[in-house]
Amino acid sequence: RKEVEQDPGPFNVPEGATVAFNCTYSNSASQSFFWYRQDCRKEPKLLMSVYSSGNEDGRFTAQLNRASQYISLLIRDSKLSDSATYLCVVNMDGEGTYKYIFGTGTRLKVLA
Amino acid sequence: GAGVSQTPSNKVTEKGKYVELRCDPISGHTALYWYRQSLGQGPEFLIYFQGTGAADDSGLPNDRFFAVRPEGSVSTLKIQRTERGDSAVYLCASSLEQGLPLHFGNGTRLTVT
Repeated sequence: RKEVEQDPGPFNVPEGATVAFNCTYSNSASQSFFWYRQDCRKEPKLLMSVYSSGNEDGRFTAQLNRASQYISLLIRDSKLSDSATYLCVVNMDGEGTYKYIFGTGTRLKVLA
Repeated sequence: GAGVSQTPSNKVTEKGKYVELRCDPISGHTALYWYRQSLGQGPEFLIYFQGTGAADDSGLPNDRFFAVRPEGSVSTLKIQRTERGDSAVYLCASSLEQGLPLHFGNGTRLTVT
């Protein structure tokens, strides 16, 4: 089983739609979780950290489910500018290392 | 303030040659990470440093790859006897401390011909 798994997509959605991505992780000791956004031929940029209680930033909501070992990202009222690849990142705490493992990314295309 | 800086931005080399890729992290960031990314894939972990020491090098694919961070700031990723399969974007990231979010540089696009 991969350490961090994401559906690669692409997800093609119309403007204004709500879209959700899930990401599963294998290490139950992981403590830190993040969502990054990556535009074509650019470096990943932090979108939001994911906290145990869940958190919201404008149109974006991230949630953590420790029991089922997954995190989710919800985007409401999608904009054309949301088109990008969304990378799930898990910090492999608890094994004497703090390496961050990335998923393969989920491609989102928001259509006019 | 300045972000993470990587040089060169592009590097074309012939198979079998040696290359060095440089990363200058955000000032004060103690943790520094190297990743490589191929088209359509997420960044693949290579190695990370906490201060001057390599805390985890489990992602280095083989002994042709080596990285150093002698003074706990700038890091160099070294690849010996390059192969065509080494072609990728090499990303460097730093964080204020372990467990906090990563900040990435623009990457070095390595092409081995």
